[in-house]
Amino acid sequence: AQSVTQPDIHITVSEGASLELRCNYSYGATPYLFWYVQSPGQGLQLLLKYFSGDTLVQGIKGFEAEFKRSQSSFNLRKPSVHWSDAAEYFCAVNLNYGGSQGNLIFGKGTKLSVKP
Amino acid sequence: DSGVTQTPKHLITATGQRVTLRCSPRSGDLSVYWYQQSLDQGLQFLIQYYNGEERAKGNILERFSAQQFPDLHSELNLSSLELGDSALYFCASSVGALDTQYFGPGTRLTVL
Repeated sequence: AQSVTQPDIHITVSEGASLELRCNYSYGATPYLFWYVQSPGQGLQLLLKYFSGDTLVQGIKGFEAEFKRSQSSFNLRKPSVHWSDAAEYFCAVNLNYGGSQGNLIFGKGTKLSVKP
Repeated sequence: DSGVTQTPKHLITATGQRVTLRCSPRSGDLSVYWYQQSLDQGLQFLIQYYNGEERAKGNILERFSAQQFPDLHSELNLSSLELGDSALYFCASSVGALDTQYFGPGTRLTVL
């Protein structure tokens, strides 16, 4: 079955340090890929998405993600973390075929804490 | 603000009861999706509608049902509620099935 794995449940980084959140998917083809962020008590906000083309995609709030087909990965990065980035981050895939079109499959999420 | 609205924000009810959650999609979006977020199951897809018709079903219980009305708003009906139904319920909308989904703020359901 298709799945999304975010291996890190919780990550703590210092403010100003770089960040990489990992995401791997299990799927026979290249799905559409997304990163969403959820602040406490809030809904899900789209950070960035990959459909096709350039494998390095830029998003909002200074985030970027790189799609690596050979590793079935779509890792999220930010060069310098700000205290306001503390939130939970979700990787998701949209299976772009047949009857499953539109179903977002989410990873379990990575909670990011930022140390001052 | 994603443009997707959900009401109510919070709902507290008792076991065995029935509730209705409402979602208004972004202007122009024809697809509406419902997701459930719980601590043990994470974010799970429940059901999708496109322009009034059911398109796909995920892990939706038989006690749950949904519909999308001609004005494109959607309602999720949860009946015979159990303690385990306590969760955050999100609605999302998109133009079409493969387009980016934008999420509403969610309805937090507490079943006592």
